[in-house]
Amino acid sequence: DIQLTQSPSVLSAFVGDRVTITCRASQDIGSFLAWYQQKPGKAPNLLIYAASILQSGVPSRFSGRGSGTEFTLTIASLQPEDFATYYCQQLNRYPLTFGGGTKVEIK
Amino acid sequence: QVLLVQSGPELKKPGASVKVSCKTFGYTFSTYGLSWVRQAPGQGLEWMGWISPFNGNANYTQSLQGRVTMTTDTSTSTAYMELRSLRSDDTAVYYCARRPPDGSGDYWGQGTLVTVSS
Repeated sequence: DIQLTQSPSVLSAFVGDRVTITCRASQDIGSFLAWYQQKPGKAPNLLIYAASILQSGVPSRFSGRGSGTEFTLTIASLQPEDFATYYCQQLNRYPLTFGGGTKVEIK
Repeated sequence: QVLLVQSGPELKKPGASVKVSCKTFGYTFSTYGLSWVRQAPGQGLEWMGWISPFNGNANYTQSLQGRVTMTTDTSTSTAYMELRSLRSDDTAVYYCARRPPDGSGDYWGQGTLVTVSS
């Protein structure tokens, strides 16, 4: 199975900060990567697919980059509603594994 | 608009089976796959598999092979996930998600809590 390692696992930041989350794959997955946001008690919400394409309706402060084995999700200016847990998911090979998650907390 | 509505919470004993439904609205059911993802309490997301309503083909994660069956009913635009021989570590919230061609999940159900306890 392809392993996805997210870092950091917890990130403390202020409103207005620029934050970056990294997702590393155990093997080359091309651009077959998605990012999700999940708030407590809610279903995940798709933010980015194909590594860098913003899902319809998602604010432009979210962006994704990368290919191969290293990927990043950046929030340009953190807003109060962005405090949540973020997951990456590889879509290259079955099983379609998720990263362990990054919790973004208020500093 | 696109909506996925799942069945209610379940409490099951070890060894029993559970069948969770996911009724879809707002799009042509047969043109998108349906994925199932679960999340144990306080844990991350686990992909369970997906099914194509178009032809009924399914792909399951190896760890659940033999215990899980995903099906669809195109007449009611509903997907089902059945998990058998339940164990305590199957306690989780189970989500269905619409699967666009890239394999991600663009619309999700609200989740169904399945608790396995004696």
